[in-house]
Amino acid sequence: DSGVTQTPKHLITATGQRVTLRCSPRSGDLSVYWYQQSLDQGLQFLIQYYNGEERAKGNILERFSAQQFPDLHSELNLSSLELGDSALYFCASSSYRAYSNQPQHFGDGTRLSIL
Amino acid sequence: AQSVSQHNHHVILSEAASLELGCNYSYGGTVNLFWYVQYPGQHLQLLLKYFSGDPLVKGIKGFEAEFIKSKFSFNLRKPSVQWSDTAEYFCAVNAPGIILTGGGNKLTFGTGTQLKVEL
Repeated sequence: DSGVTQTPKHLITATGQRVTLRCSPRSGDLSVYWYQQSLDQGLQFLIQYYNGEERAKGNILERFSAQQFPDLHSELNLSSLELGDSALYFCASSSYRAYSNQPQHFGDGTRLSIL
Repeated sequence: AQSVSQHNHHVILSEAASLELGCNYSYGGTVNLFWYVQYPGQHLQLLLKYFSGDPLVKGIKGFEAEFIKSKFSFNLRKPSVQWSDTAEYFCAVNAPGIILTGGGNKLTFGTGTQLKVEL
């Protein structure tokens, strides 16, 4: 158990719909990361938040957005879903202090299937 | 921007065989290096990490990796694999320099190596 909690574990929906994925980081971790894992793209970084503020953006589509709340949990919102959005979405967390190096710990992921 | 190459996409070994998985990265500055393992249906778990110091790092479950700066490589090794090592292995990199300037510290992953260990 990594201490990172993601819900739901599985999500099945249709094209054009909107979904919200939720992540609770490990206790004490201020930084949350979202990654997408698909067969054709591999593991791709989407976005990072640190203590409520966006820190870095990767190849995240405009239809996707995220936020980190005061209690440090994060949500990834995916809208106008397309078949190609079917993937495993991982959340990771780390303590991310600017002058130290900390590894990222991953949750179990949310498997999103678009029908 | 960083990039990571894992040249072996699928590896099949018999139990007790030795393992070496290749990882090369591309980045002009100092890097942190990681190996993660993903067992079937599970999340990514950290096997080992290199930040600085001794280039030979030891991780969990008998794995080790050697950082060779001149070759931009961070190969994963295990002297004797077990059936339970069957999993997908990912090499990843991030750049501490960016962290220090207040930016993000995203991980850039390789494409992964699927290891199957046969009894």
